[in-house]
Amino acid sequence: GAVVSQHPSWVICKSGTSVKIECRSLDFQATTMFWYRQFPKQSLMLMATSNEGSKATYEQGVEKDKFLINHASLTLSTLTVTSAHPEDSSFYICSAPLGLAGGLIYEQYFGPGTRLTVT
Amino acid sequence: AQSVAQPEDQVNVAEGNPLTVKCTYSVSGNPYLFWYVQYPNRGLQFLLKYITGDNLVKGSYGFEAEFNKSQTSFHLKKPSALVSDSALYFCAVRDDDYKLSFGAGTTVTVRA
Repeated sequence: GAVVSQHPSWVICKSGTSVKIECRSLDFQATTMFWYRQFPKQSLMLMATSNEGSKATYEQGVEKDKFLINHASLTLSTLTVTSAHPEDSSFYICSAPLGLAGGLIYEQYFGPGTRLTVT
Repeated sequence: AQSVAQPEDQVNVAEGNPLTVKCTYSVSGNPYLFWYVQYPNRGLQFLLKYITGDNLVKGSYGFEAEFNKSQTSFHLKKPSALVSDSALYFCAVRDDDYKLSFGAGTTVTVRA
């Protein structure tokens, strides 16, 4: 099956610094990737849609200047949390859809997640 | 807007007993429904999907789900639960922009 990786799996950073999270589709190309945020024992909240070759689209309430998304290639999207604060501590998960042909999306493949802790 | 609801925060069953995790949906067109499972500190694993066709969908790890249009439900089932099935389960619906909207999640605990 399709594999999506994330790096790093966990990161600790100090307040005010920036941290970059990578999401890679290992065996398929993804013109679109999605970034989610998950708080402990809660559901996934979609943050933004990453589009290869164009700007990301952000969900309502998500600060685009704080969560910078770059979809540099068909297999790589990055999320940079800028000027991180303790409230940004969360589990960040990316996903990539496979099977967009004909307008049907068969399923999304999820990365293993990145645990961010801001001290 | 598409949405799903998982009415139970927790489901507890004994190993070997049937397991059901409930999900109801609300969509404006054709429903594209999914079930995912999440283990602690891990990403989501795909279990099964309903796009069209048979109402009974079979998926990974012995799970199946029944699509019921009249009741707008898509309950996840497993005839005989295992301790290793203990995890967090999410129902999801795809919208027209290919985005997934997730339910709140149901924590399943299977006791030995």
